[in-house]
Amino acid sequence: QQPVQSPQAVILREGEDAVINCSSSKALYSVHWYRQKHGEAPVFLMILLKGGEQKGHEKISASFNEKKQQSSLYLTASQLSYSGTYFCGTETRASGSRLTFGEGTQLTVNP
Amino acid sequence: NAGVTQTPKFQVLKTGQSMTLQCAQDMNHNSMYWYRQDPGMGLRLIYYSASEGTTDKGEVPNGYNVSRLNKREFSLRLESAAPSQTSVYFCASSEARRRPPLPLHFGNGTRLTVT
Repeated sequence: QQPVQSPQAVILREGEDAVINCSSSKALYSVHWYRQKHGEAPVFLMILLKGGEQKGHEKISASFNEKKQQSSLYLTASQLSYSGTYFCGTETRASGSRLTFGEGTQLTVNP
Repeated sequence: NAGVTQTPKFQVLKTGQSMTLQCAQDMNHNSMYWYRQDPGMGLRLIYYSASEGTTDKGEVPNGYNVSRLNKREFSLRLESAAPSQTSVYFCASSEARRRPPLPLHFGNGTRLTVT
């Protein structure tokens, strides 16, 4: 079952912050975050493992709440280069090496 | 380092025609995947191959077949193309059985239009 991402779209001005959420109805082993720019392939950002671990990538960080089966991606002091579509991909014990992706959150950062 | 290479980049087919999408990776990954991406629907798994010699269905396998030719190559075949198969197709590879899992590396995609 596909994880649910929210919001579907967000528009920011450069320097503003944003949070993108990813929720699953299944017990998760890991959550992966990818960013895709228009016309390009998705690019890996980070992997979160169960245990509430928080990771960082530039000014982008994420958390994973294992009890709630939710992950959040935090974009701080957004830059123009952050524009794109963000996808979460979830892995369960049953899914093995297969990821199930959410529908994506389109982020636009304006000057 | 090429990573994951997909061919062709663009393709237009008529309904009923067949074609094979090619994918090769040079990262010595065991696992390879085929995803399709449609507007507003994210990435959906068509087929995957956990290791050389094995293939399994994903979420949307109908109308497709795959071949894991060797460790490097994983092809996707459309036997009789339909307009519903108009999409962007991405091949990916990873060493997913490692713990913690390694990320997916995607190819640049094939943009397929079926008229």
